[in-house]
Amino acid sequence: AQKVTQAQTEISVVEKEDVTLDCVYETRDTTYYLFWYKQPPSGELVFLIRRNSFDEQNEISGRYSWNFQKSTSSFNFTITASQVVDSAVYFCALSEGNYGGRRALTFGSGTRLQVQP
Amino acid sequence: DTAVSQTPKYLVTQMGNDKSIKCEQNLGHDTMYWYKQDSKKFLKIMFSYNNKELIINETVPNRFSPKSPDKAHLNLHINSLELGDSAVYFCASSQEAGGTGSYNEQFFGPGTRLTVL
Repeated sequence: AQKVTQAQTEISVVEKEDVTLDCVYETRDTTYYLFWYKQPPSGELVFLIRRNSFDEQNEISGRYSWNFQKSTSSFNFTITASQVVDSAVYFCALSEGNYGGRRALTFGSGTRLQVQP
Repeated sequence: DTAVSQTPKYLVTQMGNDKSIKCEQNLGHDTMYWYKQDSKKFLKIMFSYNNKELIINETVPNRFSPKSPDKAHLNLHINSLELGDSAVYFCASSQEAGGTGSYNEQFFGPGTRLTVL
């Protein structure tokens, strides 16, 4: 069975600080997909990134970067120079390689990030 | 144009009532999902449909019945509502055809906040 663990329940930082959100996953599949979603106070789920299990390249998108390490089953997310607008709950999610409607996401419990001005 | 829409956005009702939540996607996707987010923000898959066929049916009370009249719609009907059904329900869609060679992320609707009094 697949599982996603986000050990950090809540993180509070001051604006312009860098912050890393941790994500550890478990799966028996060799093909799987990892995601990060943002849920701002308004409640919608905003897709941030998808990573395939066979692509361990790290990715940077503006102030966001992701570190995927299969050896430690981790997919961590770093926000550089955080801003108040980054305040949200961030979810890491995993989907195994089946298709045809079986690629439901297994979500972690989320990390609430508060960025203070 | 809204990609995945849900109606209503808010639903307040009394225990014992029957209610429905509607979901529509205009992305041409072949797979749709229902997720439940409880008061602690835990997100969990409930159902998935692929080409109108029920694929995933998690451990959900029989009072919950999904219905997919066509590929663009997936409705959720709940009978005999209970206090514990209060949650935010998210609909999502993705394009799954093409086998395991690629994965397309799920697009989420804005959520329906159900409050049972």
